[in-house]
Amino acid sequence: DAGVTQSPTHLIKTRGQQVTLRCSPKSGHDTVSWYQQALGQGPQFIFQYYEEEERQRGNFPDRFSGHQFPNYSSELNVNALLLGDSALYLCASSGTGGNTEAFFGQGTRLTVV
Amino acid sequence: EDQVTQSPEALRLQEGESSSLNCSYTVSGLRGLFWYRQDPGKGPEFLFTLYSAGEEKEKERLKATLTKKESFLHITAPKPEDSATYLCAVQARWGSGTYKYIFGTGTRLKVLA
Repeated sequence: DAGVTQSPTHLIKTRGQQVTLRCSPKSGHDTVSWYQQALGQGPQFIFQYYEEEERQRGNFPDRFSGHQFPNYSSELNVNALLLGDSALYLCASSGTGGNTEAFFGQGTRLTVV
Repeated sequence: EDQVTQSPEALRLQEGESSSLNCSYTVSGLRGLFWYRQDPGKGPEFLFTLYSAGEEKEKERLKATLTKKESFLHITAPKPEDSATYLCAVQARWGSGTYKYIFGTGTRLKVLA
């Protein structure tokens, strides 16, 4: 079982650019959630995807958008990057529509310069 | 407002010195409480799920307990390899049939040899 996989592991972008992060869920899981984790802080919920639709959204601006594909994999897109978007971006997958334990990937470290 | 608070923020223990980490919460519609371990720059690693007051779970030197307002993670005779940040998260009801994860900011544990 490959677990939750994220790509890339590290990324450096310039202010104003756009970025796409990718996530493949654990086998058997159908729900993907994205989190932003700043240094020294707990993960902050961005949004959750189930059945290819955004089901829940945290307190993040519209610059953050996502997508879920028929194979349950997901993308997180961030437009017009700001320095404050620098963080570890975590993907978590869970089963049964999000009602089971969430398992996390290793994260993508995004640095905006 | 739903909230999760962890204490202490940081903890230094000598090898073999047992202690407890605390996670207190105020949420509506609690479905479950989760403990994760996170190493620097990595994604959180799932440890335990607790669903009802009085429940206990154990894994090696770790034991998690749950009351109606808080959870404790007891570490018995810790070793240096137990050094990590321990995150607590609650799964709370959010809308019809959906749930959200709310994380605490974590306890940074350092075990000295």
